[in-house]
Amino acid sequence: QVQLVQSGAEVKKPGASVKVSCKASGFTFSSYYMHWVRQAPGQGLEWMGIINPTGDSTSYAQKFQGRITMARDTSTSTVYMELSSLRSEDTAVYYCARAARISMSGGIIADWFDPWGQGSLVTVSS
Amino acid sequence: DIQMTQSPSSLSAAVGDRVTITCRASQSITTYLNWYQQKPGTAPKVLIYAASNLQSGVPSRFSGSGSGTDFTLTISSLQPEDFGTYYCQQSYSTPRTFGPGTKVDIK
Repeated sequence: QVQLVQSGAEVKKPGASVKVSCKASGFTFSSYYMHWVRQAPGQGLEWMGIINPTGDSTSYAQKFQGRITMARDTSTSTVYMELSSLRSEDTAVYYCARAARISMSGGIIADWFDPWGQGSLVTVSS
Repeated sequence: DIQMTQSPSSLSAAVGDRVTITCRASQSITTYLNWYQQKPGTAPKVLIYAASNLQSGVPSRFSGSGSGTDFTLTISSLQPEDFGTYYCQQSYSTPRTFGPGTKVDIK
């Protein structure tokens, strides 16, 4: 079945970096855009960025520009998200999600997040 | 960036009730609007995509409507398993943005 399996929980000190992985299975990984979304404890969902199917183009939320890097490895069907200069406010569950897309009438290409990985908790604490 | 708002922020309803959640975008997003359900400790799950299209496997009691800036998610007959937080999300432009969520409790 279509599945995204993420790496485990991490505890990092302020100023450090974290790299979260997301391994895909059950679909043609090289055909899909992939997103990263995070959720701070008790808070809503925050989009972080997107990487294209070939991995040579990314788009990041302005908030993370300069601190975030997304990459992908087609040989292992894995996408990565690295966040640097961590601070306590970066404590959150980080999710990868596939960009599901469909062409609809009127030339519209609808896209949504499906499926999602199980989430990776990153705790930033001194 | 497109701002998304939702109302109400929370609600409590009885099994069998009809529940409506509204979502508003700060500018027209035509029908580029998705709805997700999230239960505690789990990843969100898509319910509706492109404003009114039911995701495969999602019960037919869920429906979505709207276009432009105003959208609605309706649960026609609330079931015990429908508790959780519901989020709208626009896919009209980058950055993708979510509404703040509506928490649904079962009375």
